[in-house]
Amino acid sequence: GAGVSQSPSNKVTEKGKDVELRCDPISGHTALYWYRQSLGQGLEFLIYFQGNSAPDKSGLPSDRFSAERTGGSVSTLTIQRTQQEDSAVYLCASSFRNRRNTIYFGEGSWLTVV
Amino acid sequence: TQLLEQSPQFLSIQEGENLTVYCNSSSVFSSLQWYRQEPGEGPVLLVTVVTGGEVKKLKRLTFQFGDARKDSSLHITAAQTGDTGLYLCAGTRGGAGSYQLTFGKGTKLSVIP
Repeated sequence: GAGVSQSPSNKVTEKGKDVELRCDPISGHTALYWYRQSLGQGLEFLIYFQGNSAPDKSGLPSDRFSAERTGGSVSTLTIQRTQQEDSAVYLCASSFRNRRNTIYFGEGSWLTVV
Repeated sequence: TQLLEQSPQFLSIQEGENLTVYCNSSSVFSSLQWYRQEPGEGPVLLVTVVTGGEVKKLKRLTFQFGDARKDSSLHITAAQTGDTGLYLCAGTRGGAGSYQLTFGKGTKLSVIP
């Protein structure tokens, strides 16, 4: 597709369950980002992938969070043993490596943990 | 402590009025961006400013980066209902290769017909 595609758009899960969120970046974009937007908070950086380089995981809030990017394209963000405070919109974005000032966001995955 | 403070948090104005929203920090940013986000969608980039004192115009929107690169403003002239949304500022620190955006909490603008 033309834009960053995320799925699912909405997910309700029970506390303690694992969830996987998927991001399909814009074709040709080598940089991929995950951000989290919680109610009343600004967007919070989670993780950054660039090509085949080791990802910058410095924003992941706990070891329950992990992400991978297969084949330099699709990325999956996994949250294990979800907690209520994990409820948020998880936004994926992508960009060209040499145009990191211009990133394109997907519509987000709204996660609710009950 | 929020690195980027946006004000006001909420703004409700009549169509046709002018408005200014602010993004302030005590830290220096190498670049600053403004986004607009509508409900159920991701943020959409409006502009990037990189030089202290820089002014950029996008139709009825005027963006300014402070001389010291610590603050920015967005001015909208003759607001329209289509301007309604959440306006976010975000900055990058460090060198030109920095990719991690620091976001403010946003200004929620409602333009009433």
